Amino acid sequence: AQKVTQAQTEISVVEKEDVTLDCVYETRDTTYYLFWYKQPPSGELVFLIRRNSFDEQNEISGRYSWNFQKSTSSFNFTITASQVVDSAVYFCALSEAEDSNYQLIWGAGTKLIIKP
Amino acid sequence: NAGVTQTPKFRVLKTGQSMTLLCAQDMNHEYMYWYRQDPGMGLRLIHYSVGEGTTAKGEVPDGYNVSRLKKQNFLLGLESAAPSQTSVYFCASSTSDLGRRSTEAFFGQGTRLTVV
Repeated sequence: AQKVTQAQTEISVVEKEDVTLDCVYETRDTTYYLFWYKQPPSGELVFLIRRNSFDEQNEISGRYSWNFQKSTSSFNFTITASQVVDSAVYFCALSEAEDSNYQLIWGAGTKLIIKP
Repeated sequence: NAGVTQTPKFRVLKTGQSMTLLCAQDMNHEYMYWYRQDPGMGLRLIHYSVGEGTTAKGEVPDGYNVSRLKKQNFLLGLESAAPSQTSVYFCASSTSDLGRRSTEAFFGQGTRLTVV
């Protein structure tokens, strides 16, 4: 069955430290998409990245980078030189090509606290 | 563009009362979704719609009904509210199937519902 695990419930770091949020997924499909969303204290969900299962290239966007490794079924998210504004809950999610329910399967989220 | 708009943003209901949450999107998206978010859990799909006039059950549909009479609107109804339905509800929309096409879901701001 499909599943997304974010084992880190809460992470607290001091500003300017690097931090990595882990995401491990389970799926039987060979074609799937992985997502990261950010939920700041204001509550909205902000799309960060989408990655399909055939593209294992790492991606960097400013201070954000993502490491996709199919061998370990992981899609980890790293914030470099963290800032207070990065404080939020971050969700990893999975959608499968063969899933007829059109669902995003969500992890439980990791609450990231950046201390000044 | 407003994107995805949910009304109301907050509501307190007494057990047994009914209410309707409205989701409106102005992006001409075919797909719309209702999720609920509970503490320590990722989002769970309640119902979804793949087009005007269609609806389908998601992971946790019991106690909810939906309607999609107009493409831009997706209504979520609670006929007889229960304390277990206390949650934050998110509406989302997408251009196409999240699993088969490279797309993303756009989310509303959320509705915080408390049933006492």
